[in-house]
Amino acid sequence: DIQMTQSPSSMSASLGDRVTITCQASQDIGNNLIWFQQKPGKSPRRMIYYATNLANGVPSRFSGSRSGSDYSLTIISLESEDMADYHCLQYKQYPLTFGSGTKLEIK
Amino acid sequence: QVQLKESGPVLVQASETLSLTCTVSGFSLTNYGVIWVRQPPGKGLEWMGIIWRNGNTDYNSALKSRLSINRDTSKSQVFLKMNSLQTDDTAIYYCTRGGSLDYWGQGVMVTVSS
Repeated sequence: DIQMTQSPSSMSASLGDRVTITCQASQDIGNNLIWFQQKPGKSPRRMIYYATNLANGVPSRFSGSRSGSDYSLTIISLESEDMADYHCLQYKQYPLTFGSGTKLEIK
Repeated sequence: QVQLKESGPVLVQASETLSLTCTVSGFSLTNYGVIWVRQPPGKGLEWMGIIWRNGNTDYNSALKSRLSINRDTSKSQVFLKMNSLQTDDTAIYYCTRGGSLDYWGQGVMVTVSS
């Protein structure tokens, strides 16, 4: 199975900060990666697909990038509504595997 | 519009079988697969399995011996059954549209009681 190592597990940032969350894949997954946002009591929301593509309705302050086996979700200017858990998912190979999640808090 | 909705019991006794239904609308099960994902309280997401648009299935190897996923295309429903439940199966269970994982149900919280 492909392992997705996500970091950090939690972080705190101020409004307006640039925030980056990373997932590292244990095997080649190409660009087959999705980033989800999950707010308390809600279902996951797809934010980025195919590593770099912004999903419909997602604010442009979110972006995804790839460098080798490292995948990043970046928020260029943090807003209060971005407080949530973030999860990565590889869909290159079954079984699909998620990262362990990042809890993003606002200072 | 595309919707998925999970339904089923919220409390199950340990050693019993969990039966959940995912009812979909806005798309056909013969065009899209459906994936089940679960999330224990305060923890991350776990992929459980998929029923493909052709009716074939794939399962998480850790759950394979206990899990089955079926469907009724005429009713636009997908069924999850998992036996020999334990307390660590307590989780929110979600179904999501396969391929894109762009639409999710609201989830159903299932508690396994000992």
